[in-house]
Parts: sequence; C-alpha cells; structure tokens
Amino acid sequence: KAGVTQTPRYLIKTRGQQVTLSCSPISGHRSVSWYQQTPGQGLQFLFEYFSETQRNKGNFPGRFSGRQFSNSRSEMNVSTLELGDSALYLCASSLPGVAKNIQYFGAGTRLSVL
Amino acid sequence: AQSVTQPDIHITVSEGASLELRCNYSYGATPYLFWYVQSPGQGLQLLLKYFSGDTLVQGIKGFEAEFKRSQSSFNLRKPSVHWSDAAEYFCAVGVQGSSNTGKLIFGQGTTLQVKP
Repeated sequence: KAGVTQTPRYLIKTRGQQVTLSCSPISGHRSVSWYQQTPGQGLQFLFEYFSETQRNKGNFPGRFSGRQFSNSRSEMNVSTLELGDSALYLCASSLPGVAKNIQYFGAGTRLSVL
Repeated sequence: AQSVTQPDIHITVSEGASLELRCNYSYGATPYLFWYVQSPGQGLQLLLKYFSGDTLVQGIKGFEAEFKRSQSSFNLRKPSVHWSDAAEYFCAVGVQGSSNTGKLIFGQGTTLQVKP
C-alpha cells in the first residue's frame, strides 16, 4: 500500500506570492491533517480535514487555508507569503475512529520564501 | 491546555549503549501518546503508541516506552543503540474530543547522536 504522498518536495517562492501544496493520503484514509515544522516553533498543527470538511484548525492566520476533495486528497494554500512561512510542511493521513489518531506522515514539502 | 515537554534537546550515546528519551505531558484525560522518529529530510515515522491497557508498549526497531500516569511521563527506551538510530525523536499527545479529531501536539524533539 502506498504511503502519504506530498508534492512538490521542494518549493522556492518570493515574498508576496502564493503557494499550493498537495497531499494524497493512504488509500482508505479519510482524515488529512497538516503541520508546519520550523526550527524555532517545532511541529505545529495547521488544520485537519475529514470528509471534505475542516474539523479543526490551529492558531495560524487566515493566509493559511486548505481543502479536501471527494477522493480525500487535500491541498493547502498560503497566500501573501512571508519570510517566516519558510518551513517543512507535513501532511498526515489517518482512519476514522480511535485509530484516527494514528497519523501516518508524508515526507513533506520544503518551502523556502525569499 | 495540553502540552508535551521533551527536556533533552540533544543526547549523545555510544553505539551499543542503552538509551532513554524523556517525555512529559500535560493532559486532562487519559492521553493517546506517540513516539515518532524523523531522519534528516524525511517525514515522521511512527515508532509506537499508547492508547490504554498495558503501560509498557513495544514498537518497531527495538524501541519500547512506558506510560506512567503518576509521573505524566512516556519515556522511550532502547537497550542497545545502533548507529542508524541517529535521528530526531518526537513525543506527541493526541487530542481527544467528541469529534475524535486528528490533532497531535508535539514536543520540541530530541536529537540523538550516536558515537561509534
């Protein structure tokens, strides 16, 4: 069974631009969560989607948004990029139920904002 | 508020020596606890998990962890470290609720260096 796939693996953008990151969950997984990882703040929860609905949101500005499609694939978008948005963005998928909290992570997308 | 603390930012052990990585959590109910490992440039790999029951849980790669409610701890152990264990290790607590959300709160991580 294929794991969580994130594309692209690397991105370089400039301040003010916007970016879209993609995540394909493990087959059969319906929950997708996104995390931001930086050296200073560590791993921080961005948001979670389940059945195309945002179920939970972390403490990030509105520039960070996401969506989930009917096939459970998810995208996150960051508008008006700032230097501080440079980070590794990780996507995780899980099954519903108690097992829902067992999250399987992709390799991440490394975003550099210049 | 829920939180996870990993007191040791960096640990160095000799190959073949035993290892213990500390994790303390703050959570009102019975927590769902996890240990993940991250190699450079990679995502997170689940080592082991605790939901309920036996407080000593076994994971992959020879790792184990013990849940101690009285100490609010979930320390990770390995009896003999291999050079390939060098990586960053994260302890996490799963936030529960009526919707059983998919949110994990992570500690700051512990970087393990293995000396030959």
